[in-house]
Amino acid sequence: EPEVTQTPSHQVTQMGQEVILRCVPISNHLYFYWYRQILGQKVEFLVSFYNNEISEKSEIFDDQFSVERPDGSNFTLKIRSTKLEDSAMYFCASKSNEKLFFGSGTQLSVL
Amino acid sequence: ELKVEQNPLFLSMQEGKNYTIYCNYSTTSDRLYWYRQDPGKSLESLFVLLSNGAVKQEGRLMASLDTKARLSTLHITAAVHDLSATYFCAVEEKAGTASKLTFGTGTRLQVTL
Repeated sequence: EPEVTQTPSHQVTQMGQEVILRCVPISNHLYFYWYRQILGQKVEFLVSFYNNEISEKSEIFDDQFSVERPDGSNFTLKIRSTKLEDSAMYFCASKSNEKLFFGSGTQLSVL
Repeated sequence: ELKVEQNPLFLSMQEGKNYTIYCNYSTTSDRLYWYRQDPGKSLESLFVLLSNGAVKQEGRLMASLDTKARLSTLHITAAVHDLSATYFCAVEEKAGTASKLTFGTGTRLQVTL
């Protein structure tokens, strides 16, 4: 079965540093997403992306966050200046007509 | 704003018993997902329920959707230890040109031997 691939699986960074989380969605999917899950909490929507632009973003997705699809296959989430509260598991997802497929996640730890 | 509530939040049950997890949501939606998550792992899709009255079954799990009541249930039959995990429901709503999922709080299921 096709899968969404995320790298790295773990990322440790210092507060204030920039991080880029990478995702390779399933190849024929058109909709792409980032979600995050703080430890022990529910999964929260960050942003959706369609036709090379942001479709919707949540209140969490402030000016420190950005997404890109630079080469037609990769889909990245950048956090410009990380804060302690950005520590979470970040999930990329892509969607066919019916089903949403999640990647295995990147665990981001901000120290 | 769409709210999705699950109950119970935590469920400890013995092997062989039956139980139901409930998922209530606050606004109209015709699509609801159930996911399983093992500790530190990703979200495994269990069911996509697309219409009112939809019922799907896979092994010991059965999910149903009542869009009029804004309620979905996940029924566990004759639980086994391998079903221990956290289960999330998620409701889909339109978001710009795409859609997005709003997740419930999750139900942590522990099946004891």
